[in-house]
Amino acid sequence: AQSVSQHNHHVILSEAASLELGCNYSYGGTVNLFWYVQYPGQHLQLLLKYFSGDPLVKGIKGFEAEFIKSKFSFNLRKPSVQWSDTAEYFCAVNAGYGGATNKLIFGTGTLLAVQP
Amino acid sequence: GAVVSQHPSWVICKSGTSVKIECRSLDFQATTMFWYRQFPKQSLMLMATSNEGSKATYEQGVEKDKFLINHASLTLSTLTVTSAHPEDSSFYICSARVTGGPYNEQFFGPGTRLTVL
Repeated sequence: AQSVSQHNHHVILSEAASLELGCNYSYGGTVNLFWYVQYPGQHLQLLLKYFSGDPLVKGIKGFEAEFIKSKFSFNLRKPSVQWSDTAEYFCAVNAGYGGATNKLIFGTGTLLAVQP
Repeated sequence: GAVVSQHPSWVICKSGTSVKIECRSLDFQATTMFWYRQFPKQSLMLMATSNEGSKATYEQGVEKDKFLINHASLTLSTLTVTSAHPEDSSFYICSARVTGGPYNEQFFGPGTRLTVL
């Protein structure tokens, strides 16, 4: 079965620090990868996604992620975090094409707290 | 664009009663919607895939007679938790895929917090 693991459950950073959140998935075939963010009291929002092509994906709000197929990883990065980045971050994978494989498998989430 | 709403945002009910949660796509049509459950400090777990005009597809371990899903129109899916018990207390989130849009892109609702006393 497909699974997604996020290694960091809770991360605390100071403003301007660099961020890297780990995400690994288990699936040997073609995958689509996503990072979602959930700000306090708000719904899940898409940060970025990888379908194909350039493995370095740039998303909104200065976030980027790199797909490394050989490592089954899709780590999220931001060079300089802000207090407003305080949120929970979820990595998700969608394996295969269409039909029942539309479904997303989510990681357990990483709670990021940025201290001003 | 691509806004998904849920109603209610929070519901408290007595054990044994049934609760209906609505998921609406406000500015697009959604042939396919998804229902997730999120426990505190845990990830979103897919419960079922809701397809307009047909039966929902439930994930393994999800009781379809307990969690009734109806997707009667292209903009509305409902989840009814029947005979709710305290262990059903959770955060229920729906998402919708734009009809004709990227098959693997979902837009999420704000969630409904269910508390069963």
